[in-house]
Amino acid sequence: KAGVTQTPRYLIKTRGQQVTLSCSPISGHRSVSWYQQTPGQGLQFLFEYFSETQRNKGNFPGRFSGRQFSNSRSEMNVSTLELGDSALYLCASSLGGQAGYNEQFFGPGTRLTVL
Amino acid sequence: DQQVKQNSPSLSVQEGRISILNCDYTNSMFDYFLWYKKYPAEGPTFLISISSIKDKNEDGRFTVFLNKSAKHLSLHIVPSQPGDSAVYFCAARASGSARQLTFGSGTQLTVLP
Repeated sequence: KAGVTQTPRYLIKTRGQQVTLSCSPISGHRSVSWYQQTPGQGLQFLFEYFSETQRNKGNFPGRFSGRQFSNSRSEMNVSTLELGDSALYLCASSLGGQAGYNEQFFGPGTRLTVL
Repeated sequence: DQQVKQNSPSLSVQEGRISILNCDYTNSMFDYFLWYKKYPAEGPTFLISISSIKDKNEDGRFTVFLNKSAKHLSLHIVPSQPGDSAVYFCAARASGSARQLTFGSGTQLTVLP
C-alpha cells in the first residue's frame, strides 16, 4: 500500500510570492491534516480536511489556506510569503471516521525556503 | 503558550541501556497521548499511544507511562539500540478534536554504540 506522498519535496520562493503544496493521502483515507514544523517549535497544526470540507483549523493567519478534492487529495496554499514561513510542511492522512481516534500517517514533507 | 512541552532537546544513551524521554502538558482536556519518531528527510512515524484512562502501555521495547495528576508522560526504551537514534515527538489530543494533535518540540535521541 503506497504511503502519503507530498510534492514538491523542496521549494525556494521569495518574499511576497505565493506557493501551493500538494498531498496525496493513503488510498481509502478521507482525512488530511497539515502541520508546520519549525526548529524548536515542534509541529503546529494548520488545518484538517475531511470529505472536501475543512473540519478543524489551527491558529494561523488567513494567508494559509487549503482545499481537498473529491479523490481526497489536498492542496495547501500560502500567499504573500514571509521569511518566517520557511519550514517543513507535513501532511498526514487518516481514515477520518468519527468513532474514536484514527492514527495519522505522515508524508515526508515539503521543505519551503523563503528568501 | 506551549501546551505540550519536551524540555530536553537532546539525550544521549549507551546502547543496551534505558532511554527515558519526558513530556509535560498543561491542557486538562487532553485525553489521548502519542509518541512519534522522526528520521531526517522522513515524516514522523507513530510509535506508541496511551489513553488517559490508563497509566501504562507497553509495546515490545517501548513503554509509555502517564501520570495525570502531574500532567506528565514518559517514553521508556529498553534496551536502546543505535537504530533508535531519531527525534521523538510527544503529541496530545483533546477530547472532541479527533485529528488535531498538539505536538511538543521534540527530543533528539542519540544511542551510542
